[in-house]
Amino acid sequence: GAVVSQHPSWVICKSGTSVKIECRSLDFQATTMFWYRQFPKQSLMLMATSNEGSKATYEQGVEKDKFLINHASLTLSTLTVTSAHPEDSSFYICSARQGGNSPLHFGNGTRLTVT
Amino acid sequence: EDQVTQSPEALRLQEGESSSLNCSYTVSGLRGLFWYRQDPGKGPEFLFTLYSAGEEKEKERLKATLTKKESFLHITAPKPEDSATYLCAVHDSNSGYALNFGKGTSLLVTP
Repeated sequence: GAVVSQHPSWVICKSGTSVKIECRSLDFQATTMFWYRQFPKQSLMLMATSNEGSKATYEQGVEKDKFLINHASLTLSTLTVTSAHPEDSSFYICSARQGGNSPLHFGNGTRLTVT
Repeated sequence: EDQVTQSPEALRLQEGESSSLNCSYTVSGLRGLFWYRQDPGKGPEFLFTLYSAGEEKEKERLKATLTKKESFLHITAPKPEDSATYLCAVHDSNSGYALNFGKGTSLLVTP
């Protein structure tokens, strides 16, 4: 149980375009999902907390107008990278918790390359 | 100020050579310490949760322990398939439901 699916697994886009990444909890409902970003040989950095039916909470330094988060249902959160630039190239990972004190379960990540 | 520090950054072992990975933490109120395994190009895979000092968890060749200041991930007689990056994360009372991660230990087990 507690499977988190993330799509696409990789995407290449041109500078100035937007990219949408989907995160789904397949066998449980998640009122809260988390979006992380990971640079090579670095730790996972929390970008934002996605709350079902309300606005996301962004970490300090993360531009909310660039990284749009929508959590429209209890099983789906999306991250849209708007007007992408090469510096946005990174590994983006979503996660969700089944509830209570259960651990976070992660999707398999999306490798974004902006050319 | 780093909340979670992992050491060593990288570790190379021969198959069967046991060792330990360290995770030291400084948080105001620990709600849980988590160990994950991450393979290249993949998301982290959950291994263990520890909640209080003295607690231990085991899974196959892995054993995690916890004190008030650090956690150890002991690897007994590792195999090449244990090669991965091992991440430690803490859930503290100030971070909502999110986890704060260390930079990980990259483990390579050679035949």
